Amino acid sequence: QKEVEQNSGPLSVPEGAIASLNCTYSDRGSQSFFWYRQYSGKSPELIMSIYSNGDKEDGRFTAQLNKASQYVSLLIRDSQPSDSATYLCAVKGGGADGLTFGKGTHLIIQP
Amino acid sequence: DVKVTQSSRYLVKRTGEKVFLECVQDMDHENMFWYRQDPGLGLRLIYFSYDVKMKEKGDIPEGYSVSREKKERFSLILESASTNQTSMYLCASRGVGADRLYGYTFGSGTRLTVV
Repeated sequence: QKEVEQNSGPLSVPEGAIASLNCTYSDRGSQSFFWYRQYSGKSPELIMSIYSNGDKEDGRFTAQLNKASQYVSLLIRDSQPSDSATYLCAVKGGGADGLTFGKGTHLIIQP
Repeated sequence: DVKVTQSSRYLVKRTGEKVFLECVQDMDHENMFWYRQDPGLGLRLIYFSYDVKMKEKGDIPEGYSVSREKKERFSLILESASTNQTSMYLCASRGVGADRLYGYTFGSGTRLTVV
């Protein structure tokens, strides 16, 4: 059984600071990694994806992947109140099967 | 942008009813998925389909079936609804051959209550 683990939070971060979200996964054959943001009552929205070891940056977001440690993280710089949401880590293996999701980290940005 | 449309936003059904949840995507994607999302349990894969008339069980298929008669439409069927199937149901799609970085696009979800 593939597992994806996240700290459920809530993680409280002051506005303007860096929010750091972490995720570990169990399947060493996992190939692609995704971060989704989900506002309350809404469906998940893809914000970052990564498949190579190292960092990938997109605006205020940086995804970090370490396959040896089976660890993926998301950094949000200059956090804004609108970043307050649940962040879901998702992992994909090969083939046409679906993503395996973590249970999400609830992030609160305090004005 | 890919659009995934779920026919109902909210649905209330009675125990024992047969329930159909419909999902349509407009980007000619081969892969379609049904998840349910529950507090404390996260998103769990019910069924997926990689082509017309093809289906595969996910992690929690019991009590559900699916139908994919056309490429753009993927239906989730609750054969005899029970109260433990009260949940948020999310449909997603993805194209084969897409860059492996291409994430899944979700529909807006159907919040089903079984009474």
